[in-house]
Amino acid sequence: DTEVTQTPKHLVMGMTNKKSLKCEQHMGHRAMYWYKQKAKKPPELMFVYSYEKLSINESVPSRFSPECPNSSLLNLHLHALQPEDSALYLCASSQDSAGAQGYTFGSGTRLTVV
Amino acid sequence: QKEVEQDPGPLSVPEGAIVSLNCTYSNSAFQYFMWYRQYSRKGPELLMYTYSSGNKEDGRFTAQVDKSSKYISLFIRDSQPSDSATYLCAMGEMEYGNKLVFGAGTILRVKS
Repeated sequence: DTEVTQTPKHLVMGMTNKKSLKCEQHMGHRAMYWYKQKAKKPPELMFVYSYEKLSINESVPSRFSPECPNSSLLNLHLHALQPEDSALYLCASSQDSAGAQGYTFGSGTRLTVV
Repeated sequence: QKEVEQDPGPLSVPEGAIVSLNCTYSNSAFQYFMWYRQYSRKGPELLMYTYSSGNKEDGRFTAQVDKSSKYISLFIRDSQPSDSATYLCAMGEMEYGNKLVFGAGTILRVKS
């Protein structure tokens, strides 16, 4: 299995809703990432988990809350989002904790906040 | 000045052409370099990664790094309509692992 699987593929939520994005990989990768990508822009790093511990938080607002229940799963909990948070949310994983051999990205969750 | 500069294009070429995609960077501490391909509404897909100056070839793709000039390139030979996508360069430092810096991405269109 050489994939990163993200669910759901599409999500529409209101500004008062709570939802979660899920990510799963079974490649034995040691680091997992959340990225946000707006249209026609490169991905922006949000969070990094290395060996199941949060190692990087790029000053992301607290309405985004990551969780790594085990080495294969990564969640992103969403609460009280704003319309400007609408974007493609990408999960990625890398074999080594430095990511120097590249990342495997999932197909993303397209989030619309109304 | 951005750390990584990449012309957003679009770059339009006829089928069969050799494509050259380029990025320049300002941080001499970058040690590893990658190219990703992203189709519309999909996640980026790793094409190639390299650590050293010089060329690395994989099928129709060649990645070239010139650390002295802070310049990297991706060449695509015999381009196909299926190569039409956005190509993102990315690079990082071992010391600050996990923090890839992406270029803006170049939109490539290969016309049949």
